[in-house]
Amino acid sequence: AQSVTQLDSQVPVFEEAPVELRCNYSSSVSVYLFWYVQYPNQGLQLLLKYLSGSTLVKGINGFEAEFNKSQTSFHLRKPSVHISDTDVYFCGVCDRWVRAQKLVFGQGTRLTINP
Amino acid sequence: GAGVSQSPSNKVTEKGKDVELRCDPISGHTALYWYRQSLGQGLEFLIYFQGNSAPDKSGLPSDRFSAERTGGSVSTLTIQRTQQEDSAVYLCASSFGRNARTDTQYFGPGTRLTVL
Repeated sequence: AQSVTQLDSQVPVFEEAPVELRCNYSSSVSVYLFWYVQYPNQGLQLLLKYLSGSTLVKGINGFEAEFNKSQTSFHLRKPSVHISDTDVYFCGVCDRWVRAQKLVFGQGTRLTINP
Repeated sequence: GAGVSQSPSNKVTEKGKDVELRCDPISGHTALYWYRQSLGQGLEFLIYFQGNSAPDKSGLPSDRFSAERTGGSVSTLTIQRTQQEDSAVYLCASSFGRNARTDTQYFGPGTRLTVL
């Protein structure tokens, strides 16, 4: 079974500093990869997804992620964070060849931005 | 347009009672998913509906859990004889469904279930 590891449960950074949220997945089969953000008392919103093609994926709010097949990683980055980026971020993966997009998520990383 | 809506937003019940959680997907979306977010298990897939096809129930944790989708739209997740370990936030998501594996899932705000 697939699993996703988000190595950091919490990441504190200062405003306008760069940030990287790490995500590793276990599967050796072809996968689709996703990053979601969870706003307080709300559902998840998609930030970006990797389906195929360029390994560098750009998403909303200035976020980007890079798919690294050899390291089975899909780390999320932002060059300069804002206070409004304070939220919980989830990495998700699903097999390419299953019928549905049954996402397997990591435990989430809480990003805290300090002024 | 309207997003995915879920009701109730909060539900408190006593152990052993049955509960029903409702999801209204985005109009026109044929794919619908249920997930559970709990402290111990994180975010986990429960069940998937696609149009009129048989649902994929592979994520349901026990036979106390069931779900249906009426008329290809509204879905209800039912938990019978609730247990304290069922306490969690239940999230519903829908997608356009043309290519279920790659379409973006849009999540509702969730129902927070507390079993006393």
